[in-house]
Amino acid sequence: GAVVSQHPSWVICKSGTSVKIECRSLDFQATTMFWYRQFPKQSLMLMATSNEGSKATYEQGVEKDKFLINHASLTLSTLTVTSAHPEDSSFYICSARGLAGGDTGELFFGEGSRLTVL
Amino acid sequence: GQNIDQPTEMTATEGAIVQINCTYQTSGFNGLFWYQQHAGEAPTFLSYNVLDGLEEKGRFSSFLSRSKGYSYLLLKELQMKDSASYLCAVLDSNYQLIWGAGTKLIIKP
Repeated sequence: GAVVSQHPSWVICKSGTSVKIECRSLDFQATTMFWYRQFPKQSLMLMATSNEGSKATYEQGVEKDKFLINHASLTLSTLTVTSAHPEDSSFYICSARGLAGGDTGELFFGEGSRLTVL
Repeated sequence: GQNIDQPTEMTATEGAIVQINCTYQTSGFNGLFWYQQHAGEAPTFLSYNVLDGLEEKGRFSSFLSRSKGYSYLLLKELQMKDSASYLCAVLDSNYQLIWGAGTKLIIKP
């Protein structure tokens, strides 16, 4: 299957700093990428949808000025958590859908990034 | 509103069979997915159903009834490594994935 690489896998940062998470589709062009957040023992929650070359669409309750998403190319999307606080500590996962997904809409997931804000 | 229901937790014995049910009410339907997620890892794709019926893939099978808004994931010959959360997700009319909360499956020897 298609491969989506997410980096970094683990990040620990101080409160008030910014953290960037990268999501790359390695062997296909990802026209659409999704960013999810998962708190312990809860389901995935969609944060935003980004289409290459356009602004991301954020879900209700997600602060777009705090969670900056850039999808500048068909193989790379980034999520920047600005001025991170302890309540932002979570598991962040990206997924991509593109030509490899065909008409099924199958999503390919990155490995996830665990953010801990001290 | 949109809603997906699946049991919170299930327990089964190694070597046995388990069926995880999922019912959904969504605005439109473009398919139903089952994903497996081990603790601390990203979900991995298991199956996709868009037509009624049973799709078999090795030890795992997935069934869909669109008229009933119902699906199940059937796991046969359970192995300890099958202990994980199983997520049901529906692709709605806007091609957005609506996720269930997941079913934690515990396998006992």
